Order: sequence, then structure tokens, then C-alpha cells
Amino acid sequence: SAVISQKPSRDICQRGTSLTIQCQVDSQVTMMFWYRQQPGQSLTLIATANQGSEATYESGFVIDKFPISRPNLTFSTLTVSNLSPEDSSIYLCSVEIPGQGRGYTFGSGTRLTVV
Amino acid sequence: AQSVTQLGSHVSVSEGALVLLRCNYSSSVPPYLFWYVQYPNQGLQLLLKYTTGATLVKGINGFEAEFKKSETSFHLTKPSAHMSDAAEYFCAGVRGGSQGNLIFGKGTKLSVKP
Repeated sequence: SAVISQKPSRDICQRGTSLTIQCQVDSQVTMMFWYRQQPGQSLTLIATANQGSEATYESGFVIDKFPISRPNLTFSTLTVSNLSPEDSSIYLCSVEIPGQGRGYTFGSGTRLTVV
Repeated sequence: AQSVTQLGSHVSVSEGALVLLRCNYSSSVPPYLFWYVQYPNQGLQLLLKYTTGATLVKGINGFEAEFKKSETSFHLTKPSAHMSDAAEYFCAGVRGGSQGNLIFGKGTKLSVKP
């Protein structure tokens, strides 16, 4: 199955700054998904990133706050901008692996704390 | 609307007792269902999944789940709980349409008492 390398694993950031999270997949995938897991909560989809097109954002998430890049079929970044303490969460990327019979792989997550 | 519902945000069992974690899905969710486990300060680990074929699915660590279309359920069970099973468990389904992402239940925290 595919392996996702997600960086950084954790960070502490000052409010008003930004954090960029990277996900590298060891195989080519069409869609990459970005999730947020707020403390003690479940996973919520932020956006879906397709290579060569604009990301598709879920209700309540906007591009200005969560810009996404998808330069090729194995890599994507999520930036969390203008940080506030409410952005303190775990952010995870995920992909569906072709030919795996609905196999989904997750990155190990980025634990963000905003102070 | 497509949804996955987990009944019980917190379940507590004694070591050696049956574990039953409940999951129901809306009928508009395609019949691809998953259970994930998340240990404290760790990422998600796939326990098992149902896609096609046998409705009783066996996963890792002695867990299994049964897909019941008539009840729109996919409950997770383990005959005998172990202390190491204490974790958060998430049921998930595949979002229909072109998106294809997973939609998650709210999670059930399993505690195991000695």
C-alpha cells in the first residue's frame, strides 16, 4: 500500500503567522484530501486537491485561510494562514490508492498549536 | 444527507469483556465502510473495511464487523477486550459522487478497566 510522508509532525506557531504542511506520496494519485481534527473531535474534510486544478473546499473552509497547492500527482501542501488559537488542531492528508479496492491511506498528521 | 453515526461517545468495558461499538450509516452512503483506530497522540490506523463480498469482515487485533444493509449498520466487535484496546475508534463511509473522500462518525472512546 502507499506511504504518505507528512511534515512537520508538530509545530507551535504565533498567532497571525502561517504554517505550511507538506504531504508526499510514494505513488501517483489523482485526489488528495486534507482533514482537520480539532481537539477531542472527529475528522472534518477541509478540501480535495486535484492536480492541475483548483482545490475544492468544503462549506466553512475558504481558500484565503487554507490555500492548497498540488503541483504534481505525488505532492501537495496545505497552508493555514493568519493563525489564531482556534486553528490549534491536527491536520491530516489522505489519499485513495488506485487498485486497492477502496484503500485509503493517511499521513501521520501535523499537530498545530497556536499561541 | 450522507452521514455516519456512532452511538456512544464513550464506552467502558472490563478487560476480557465483549467490545461492541455501534455505527450506523445513512442509506445514501455507498456500501464501503471502514473502522479506524487512533491511539493517543498517534495517527489513524485501519482496523478493517467492507467493500464487497462477505458481510462479516475480520480485521486486525481480533476485531470484526458485520455489514447489515437492512439495518444500515456496521458495528465493531471484539470478543475479549485487552487493555491495549483503549483508544478512539472512528467509523467512516465513502462519500458518494465525484469526491470520493471518507466521511467520519464522531468517534467512540473505548476505555478498558482492569
